[in-house]
Amino acid sequence: KNQVEQSPQSLIILEGKNCTLQCNYTVSPFSNLRWYKQDTGRGPVSLTIMTFSENTKSNGRYTATLDADTKQSSLHITASQLSDSASYICVVSHSTDSWGKLQFGAGTQVVVTP
Amino acid sequence: GAVVSQHPSRVICKSGTSVKIECRSLDFQATTMFWYRQFPKQSLMLMATSNEGSKATYEQGVEKDKFLINHASLTLSTLTVTSAHPEDSSFYICSARDGRALLSDIQYFGAGTRLSVL
Repeated sequence: KNQVEQSPQSLIILEGKNCTLQCNYTVSPFSNLRWYKQDTGRGPVSLTIMTFSENTKSNGRYTATLDADTKQSSLHITASQLSDSASYICVVSHSTDSWGKLQFGAGTQVVVTP
Repeated sequence: GAVVSQHPSRVICKSGTSVKIECRSLDFQATTMFWYRQFPKQSLMLMATSNEGSKATYEQGVEKDKFLINHASLTLSTLTVTSAHPEDSSFYICSARDGRALLSDIQYFGAGTRLSVL
């Protein structure tokens, strides 16, 4: 069973609107949680990274939240643009894994339409 | 930010040939590099962990003789897909762990290599 679950699988939003993506994880013990943006045919690009002591982190129009007690995170995209169309991946790192292995969610495919 | 260069970005080859993919950390030393495989509409799947100067650690189900990994320096790791077959066609992505911060497990990803085996 995947230790990182994302929802929804995909969503379509109108340009200029906001949206929120969800990530639930069971990874324990937990070191940090990252959100990546992956354009089609490209490698993932980091948007935010949060440790267990942080509960929000912003990067421009992207705002991530983290509730380490409930093991939930969200990524909020404000005033979406066409260039926001991509897959958004939630990634969680084990705190005891010295090799730095990451647990990947399956991603949420976001399509922004004009 | 840190840059990881992956080359080539796309390769098409005939069945039975071998293909080498390079992953370079351009502005930092990468003590550990990771190789991932990604099928369409699926998430990244870790294939192997590569540490400089030592043998790679392969994930369960990944054939080490099929996917040869060499991490000869702190800035370069290579993945060679030997005797490629159509089922090896996929998107291969490398990442590099910044070894400067000992407590950090930040990974930076390459842009990926699209392998198509005919």
